[in-house]
Amino acid sequence: DVKVTQSSRYLVKRTGEKVFLECVQDMDHENMFWYRQDPGLGLRLIYFSYDVKMKEKGDIPEGYSVSREKKERFSLILESASTNQTSMYLCASIQQGLGTDTQYFGPGTRLTVL
Amino acid sequence: RKEVEQDPGPFNVPEGATVAFNCTYSNSASQSFFWYRQDCRKEPKLLMSVYSSGNEDGRFTAQLNRASQYISLLIRDSKLSDSATYLCVSGGGGGADGLTFGKGTHLIIQP
Repeated sequence: DVKVTQSSRYLVKRTGEKVFLECVQDMDHENMFWYRQDPGLGLRLIYFSYDVKMKEKGDIPEGYSVSREKKERFSLILESASTNQTSMYLCASIQQGLGTDTQYFGPGTRLTVL
Repeated sequence: RKEVEQDPGPFNVPEGATVAFNCTYSNSASQSFFWYRQDCRKEPKLLMSVYSSGNEDGRFTAQLNRASQYISLLIRDSKLSDSATYLCVSGGGGGADGLTFGKGTHLIIQP
């Protein structure tokens, strides 16, 4: 059974703090993603990575960076957290197959920036 | 820009009724389609893939209409436990940049 884990379920940080969100998957997936989900806005892609040390910007990369040093781990970094980054952050990895690209999500990290 | 549009609802439906949602997708090159279910404060989970020939899984039936670029989900004999948000999803096929998610349709099954 695929497992995607995230380092924290709930996190409270102060404006200006540096924040690290960690994601680990155990199925040797090449592709990993970070989304944020906000009421009325749905899931929005922040960054994705298709291989170790490779990263691509998603739809809303501003204010975020990522790191993929190992295949199983994809980190999201908020260099200087701001209140508008209060959100639910979801990590995902994808299993690609013949006609089926099943994306598995971690449980999410609910980040509050005060 | 790739987009998936769906009615946000909420759909308030009595227990035992049949309910259907549609969604439309803008990327005609999309090759894979899914319905995900998301419970309150939980992560999205795959409900079912949508195949060109349509597919059925118990009380759930998914259909794809490529000509009109829409996807449907039918739930028969709805249960209280079906209350959730249903996300319509399309994929480009390569998967490198992930999937495009709709904003979800909120379903409430009432006793």
